[in-house]
Amino acid sequence: SQQGEEDPQALSIQEGENATMNCSYKTSINNLQWYRQNSGRGLVHLILIRSNEREKHSGRLRVTLDTSKKSSSLLITASRAADTASYFCATDDAGKSTFGDGTTLTVKP
Amino acid sequence: GAVVSQHPSRVICKSGTSVKIECRSLDFQATTMFWYRQFPKQSLMLMATSNEGSKATYEQGVEKDKFLINHASLTLSTLTVTSAHPEDSSFYICSAQLAGAGYEQYFGPGTRLTVT
Repeated sequence: SQQGEEDPQALSIQEGENATMNCSYKTSINNLQWYRQNSGRGLVHLILIRSNEREKHSGRLRVTLDTSKKSSSLLITASRAADTASYFCATDDAGKSTFGDGTTLTVKP
Repeated sequence: GAVVSQHPSRVICKSGTSVKIECRSLDFQATTMFWYRQFPKQSLMLMATSNEGSKATYEQGVEKDKFLINHASLTLSTLTVTSAHPEDSSFYICSAQLAGAGYEQYFGPGTRLTVT
């Protein structure tokens, strides 16, 4: 079964708004990563957060990690139409990644 | 940055034939590569872990005789789908793990396999 569950499954917002996606997992992890996938394409690595980190920023992306709740969130600020994609979290356990179900984000211009 | 390529990007084959997909790490050595499968609108499912110079480790439910994996060098792993059937049609993605870099993985662009 999948390690990660993502919420919401689908999210539709207007350009300029912020988008928040959540990921929950079940077992202990070394790190958690967020990826973006455009339709029919490969994965693009967005950000990695280690188990001893609580928050990380990269441009318009902000990721938080709460190991006590086994959850992570990805915030995209000032969204753009080009942010339309599926977003996956992946937890790492001794080198093996397990992917969540993903959130499909649609940003309307 | 670390780049992983896959070839071919798309392949259509007839039922019963075999198809080989290559995964290469272009500018780094990868002791470990992973093969994933993704059905439309679904997440990635790990199929197997490929280690250079040794046999691949397959996930539960993945037929090792059907999905042959060879990791002949530190920059190349191949997945061969043998006797392909329409239900094998899927998006196959590989990733390569940068040795000594804390398990970070770099993903290939994927291969779309269609079996007719």
